[in-house]
Amino acid sequence: DSGVTQTPKHLITATGQRVTLRCSPRSGDLSVYWYQQSLDQGLQFLIQYYNGEERAKGNILERFSAQQFPDLHSELNLSSLELGDSALYFCASSASGTDSYGYTFGSGTRLTVV
Amino acid sequence: AQSVTQPDIHITVSEGASLELRCNYSYGATPYLFWYVQSPGQGLQLLLKYFSGDTLVQGIKGFEAEFKRSQSSFNLRKPSVHWSDAAEYFCAVGARSTDKLIFGTGTRLQVFP
Repeated sequence: DSGVTQTPKHLITATGQRVTLRCSPRSGDLSVYWYQQSLDQGLQFLIQYYNGEERAKGNILERFSAQQFPDLHSELNLSSLELGDSALYFCASSASGTDSYGYTFGSGTRLTVV
Repeated sequence: AQSVTQPDIHITVSEGASLELRCNYSYGATPYLFWYVQSPGQGLQLLLKYFSGDTLVQGIKGFEAEFKRSQSSFNLRKPSVHWSDAAEYFCAVGARSTDKLIFGTGTRLQVFP
């Protein structure tokens, strides 16, 4: 157990729907990162939050949004889902907000859009 | 542009053989370098990291990596591979001023008994 908890582990939904992925960071970590892993794109950085504030944004679609709550858990919202959104979505956390000391990854949420 | 290249998509070795996985990076600033391992259906586990100092870094599970600035490389090595090392390995690079990591496309390691 890495200490980063992601729920649900698997999600199957239809095109056009909206889903919410949840992440609880490791105890004490203030930064949360979301990554998408697909066969054709590899591991792509989506977005980072640090202590409730958006810190960095990557290749995140406008249909996707995220937030980090006061208890530091984070949610990634995916809407108007398309077949191409099927992927593994990873959350990671780290203790520092300004230096890369290495993340701790969760086990991911596998999203299948049908 | 910042990038990480793992030129070997798939490597097959015999158990007990030595292993070297290649990683080359392109990064404007002084990089932070990482190797992660991903077993099927699992998240990514940090094997080792390099920030500064000794260019040969030791990690978990008997892995080591050497930073060579002149070659922009950070190759991962293990002297004797175990069947349990079969997994996908990712090299990643980041900067001091941001936490975003850029990952390579991964190398899938297969180990034969």
